[in-house]
Amino acid sequence: NAGVTQTPKFQVLKTGQSMTLQCAQDMNHNSMYWYRQDPGMGLRLIYYSASEGTTDKGEVPNGYNVSRLNKREFSLRLESAAPSQTSVYFCASSEWLAPDTQYFGPGTRLTVL
Amino acid sequence: QKEVEQNSGPLSVPEGAIASLNCTYSDRVSQSFFWYRQYSGKSPELIMSIYSNGDKEDGRFTAQLNKASQYVSLLIRDSQPSDSATYLCAVNRGSGNTPLVFGKGTRLSVIA
Repeated sequence: NAGVTQTPKFQVLKTGQSMTLQCAQDMNHNSMYWYRQDPGMGLRLIYYSASEGTTDKGEVPNGYNVSRLNKREFSLRLESAAPSQTSVYFCASSEWLAPDTQYFGPGTRLTVL
Repeated sequence: QKEVEQNSGPLSVPEGAIASLNCTYSDRVSQSFFWYRQYSGKSPELIMSIYSNGDKEDGRFTAQLNKASQYVSLLIRDSQPSDSATYLCAVNRGSGNTPLVFGKGTRLSVIA
C-alpha cells in the first residue's frame, strides 16, 4: 500500500499561472482533505470531501478549487496563482469524516514568484 | 480565542526527562482529541488519540484529557533526541461530521 500519494513534490509558478495538485489514496477511504501549512500557522484546511461526490469549503478556500474525481482521487486547482499561495500543501484521507485518524501524503512544496 | 491553542515553543528538555506538551480548546462539546508528530520537512503522523477523560498510555507516550478544563496534554517519558519534532494537537468539533481543527503545534527539542 502506497497510502496517500501527491504529485508533484515541488513546483515553482509565476504569478497568474494555474496548476493542479493531484492526490490519490489506496486505503479505500471515504473522506479526503487539502491543507496548507505555513510557518507559524499550523495546518489550515482548504477544502474537504466527506465522501465521493461531495466537497465543502474549509478555513481558507479563497483562490482554490477542488474536484473529487472518484473515491481514490482528490485534486486541488489554483486558477491564478498568487505569491500568498506559496506554501506546503498536504493531502490527507480518513475512513470517515470524523472522528477518525487522518493519514497524510508527503506534501507539495509550492513557490509562487 | 482560537479554537485550538498550543504554545509554539521551542520546548527544550534534556534526554531522559519527561516532556509535557499542552493544548487547550474552545468548543465545550468536542469529543475527540488527537496528537500528531511532524518531523521537519515531513508530513504529520498520528501518535495518540483520546476520547474520554483521564489518561491513556501507549509506550512512552501518555495523553491526558480534562474536558471540564478543556485541556489535553501529551507526556513523553524518557525523552530521546529522536522525539525532537513539532507536535500538533487536533480536535474534532463535537457537532459530529466535521473535520479536525489543528493547533499551530509545539516544537520540541530533546538535548542529548
